[in-house]
Parts: sequence; structure tokens; C-alpha cells
Amino acid sequence: GDSVTQMEGPVTLSEEAFLTINCTYTATGYPSLFWYVQYPGEGLQLLLKATKADDKGSNKGFEATYRKETTSFHLEKGSVQVSDSAVYFCALSDQAAGNKLTFGGGTRVLVKP
Amino acid sequence: EAQVTQNPRYLITVTGKKLTVTCSQNMNHEYMSWYRQDPGLGLRQIYYSMNVEVTDKGDVPEGYKVSRKEKRNFPLILESPSPNQTSLYFCASTSGLARDNEQFFGPGTRLTVL
Repeated sequence: GDSVTQMEGPVTLSEEAFLTINCTYTATGYPSLFWYVQYPGEGLQLLLKATKADDKGSNKGFEATYRKETTSFHLEKGSVQVSDSAVYFCALSDQAAGNKLTFGGGTRVLVKP
Repeated sequence: EAQVTQNPRYLITVTGKKLTVTCSQNMNHEYMSWYRQDPGLGLRQIYYSMNVEVTDKGDVPEGYKVSRKEKRNFPLILESPSPNQTSLYFCASTSGLARDNEQFFGPGTRLTVL
């Protein structure tokens, strides 16, 4: 079946540091890939997405590129802020599985001033 | 404002006492689902519904029931809760099952079963 693996946290950074969260996947079909973010006390919200190989999703200074050859979708941000402290989830939607979302375990990021 | 609402946000109950968590969306979405979130496991789908009166099991349906009598509402029912159902629950909706559709999540319900 489909699966998503992402690096375990927590990841603790200082403000303005570079952030990378690794994500790799296995899928039966050709999935769409997503990053969702969960701020403290809130539900998940879509951060960015990519639907085909070499697509780059971007939003709020975050970027991730769909790498089919390495089955990866790593999330990056060049200069984090305290307000980026959250839990980040990598997910895929596989048409071969009815487009159900499959999530990774989540990575907690804490940015200190 | 487009949103998914859930109630209650927090619930502490005892083993065996039936409970219902409500979910409502105001976006006229056809597809709704329930997830549970547990540390290190991400979100796992419990049940989903593709339209009114159409529901199906997700990955972890044991111990749960759902109904979809109206398009906007999708309640989650635990008829005899057990401690292993202590978790954070999210309702989500989306307009359809296109492969790049965004899912909209409610704020979550934290359930503790003693």
C-alpha cells in the first residue's frame, strides 16, 4: 500500500535559520503530493502541493519539489520565523487508491527567537 | 466564512458511554471524512462519505460508526468507547476526489476515554 515517511522531530531552530524537512513516499500509482501545516490548537491547513514530476509547490516562503526519481518531496524554507512553529505533515493522494490522503507521521518544528 | 466545525472540542468520558462528535461544513462539499491523529502515526482515515447516504470504511474503522443524512453534516459515533480510542479527531471535507483537491479540516476534537 501507499506510505509516507518523514523525518521525526522535534526540530529546533533559531529564527532566520534554514529549515529542511525530508519526506519520501511509496505509491501504487502516480500521486499528488502535499504539505499540510498544523499550528498549535488548530486543524490542518494546506501549505503547498505538486501534482507531477519536477513541479515545485511554494507558499509563505516554503518550497518543495516533486522528485519522482527519488520519490521525495522535501520541504524547505530559507529563513524561518517564530510564527513557523508548527507540526508539518507530508501527504500523498493516489488515484489508484481512490485519491485518499495518506499522511506521514508529522514533524514538529520549534523556532526560537 | 468557509469552514468545517466540530463539537465538542474537548471531551473526557468513561469506557462504554456512547458519544457523538458532530461535524458540519458550509462549503457544499460532497466528500467528507474522519481522521484520528496519534503521535508518530500521522492522521489515519476512519470513515469517509462520498455523498449523502454513501459511507465507507477507511483504514481504522473498528469501534466507530458514521452517518450522512444531510450533505453538510457527518457525525462520528462511538457506541462503546474504549481507552484505545483516546486520540485527537479531525473531520475534513473536499469538493471531490480530483487528485490535487485540497481537503479542509476542522479544528479537532480531543477525546479522552478513561
